[in-house]
Amino acid sequence: DIQMTQSPSSLSASVGDRVTITCQASQDISNYLNWYQQKPGKAPRLLIYDASNLATGVPSRFSGSGSGTDFTFTISSLQPEDIATYYCQQYDNLPPAYTFGQGTKLEIK
Amino acid sequence: QVQLQESGAGLVKPSETLSLTCTVSGFSISSGYYWGWIRQPPGKGLEWIGSVYHSGSTYYNPSLKSRVTISVDTSKNQFSLKLSSVTAADTAVYYCARGISVDVWGKGTTVTVSS
Repeated sequence: DIQMTQSPSSLSASVGDRVTITCQASQDISNYLNWYQQKPGKAPRLLIYDASNLATGVPSRFSGSGSGTDFTFTISSLQPEDIATYYCQQYDNLPPAYTFGQGTKLEIK
Repeated sequence: QVQLQESGAGLVKPSETLSLTCTVSGFSISSGYYWGWIRQPPGKGLEWIGSVYHSGSTYYNPSLKSRVTISVDTSKNQFSLKLSSVTAADTAVYYCARGISVDVWGKGTTVTVSS
């Protein structure tokens, strides 16, 4: 089984800061990596798919990069509405299966 | 727009079977995509339970495979989850979802396992 290690588990930053979250896979997953945002009491929302593609309607301050085993999610300028928990997700297509990272809780300093 | 809505019992007794249904609107299940279930225990992270294709092919998380059955009813545009022999560890918010890269989520339904 592929293990995903997401860090940090929590993060405090100020409005306007650049925020970075990392996800490391236990083996090469190519670019089969997505990022989600989950606000309290809500379902997650897809932000980034295939490591670096912005999902529909997602602000451009969100970005993703990486391939193989190491991936990065970045918010270029933190906004108050970005307070949430962020999850990475690795997936396989054949057969379909996926695993989420442990999550990163982002708070405003 | 595409919407998913979970329904089913919110309270299940230990050792019994949890049953949930997801009703899809705004999109035909027969048109494609994998349709899946994901759960989130209180205060914890997300766990994929399994997925079904419109053909009926199913794929399960190995850690739950022995207890999970997911099925699809294209005539009703629904898919369903059954989880047997539940314990308190199965208490969670259960989400239904479209896709492997999940672009549409249900709002989630809370299932509590308790006597």
